[in-house]
Amino acid sequence: NAGVMQNPRHLVRRRGQEARLRCSPMKGHSHVYWYRQLPEEGLKFMVYLQKENIIDESGMPKERFSAEFPKEGPSILRIQQVVRGDSAAYFCASSRLSSVNEQFFGPGTRLTVL
Amino acid sequence: GQQLNQSPQSMFIQEGEDVSMNCTSSSIFNTWLWYKQDPGEGPVLLIALYKAGELTSNGRLTAQFGITRKDSFLNISASIPSDVGIYFCAGALQGGSEKLVFGKGMKLTVNP
Repeated sequence: NAGVMQNPRHLVRRRGQEARLRCSPMKGHSHVYWYRQLPEEGLKFMVYLQKENIIDESGMPKERFSAEFPKEGPSILRIQQVVRGDSAAYFCASSRLSSVNEQFFGPGTRLTVL
Repeated sequence: GQQLNQSPQSMFIQEGEDVSMNCTSSSIFNTWLWYKQDPGEGPVLLIALYKAGELTSNGRLTAQFGITRKDSFLNISASIPSDVGIYFCAGALQGGSEKLVFGKGMKLTVNP
């Protein structure tokens, strides 16, 4: 089975542009989690989604950030009007069940805001 | 937000040596997990712990879930060059939340 796929692997945006990060979960997985990692830091939870539902968005910034996981297609993390502080690695994880120990991580998208 | 205090932040060891690292928190965790992250990649799960006092091994790795449920340690025995990387502890807070709280990581360097 293919693992969790994320694209693009690297994304460069200028301040004020939009960034769209995609995550295709492992086959058979219907739970998706997004985490952000700043340089020299651990991962920080952003949002947990099931198909067509946001379950927990307690880690999402109040403005400019949104996430979706449609019935068909990948999960999308969208950042509007990016600022330099948004530069980070964004990781997606997926699980078949709602389970902390069965979260498999993708390779991440490294966002650089110029 | 919740934080895990992971120490040490980095270690430089010789091949063949053992290494220990630990994580502590002021909150109670239901699950403790240890991950390894290679440069440019996502974290890979090494060991998962579910019960206070549990001691689990995976090859040369051994981890324990602290009795107080507020700490965990990971040991790597007889290190080899491919053990190089960043090791993270992570936990799921009491209350059933699926989100993981991560430590800041320990960067391990192994000199051959």
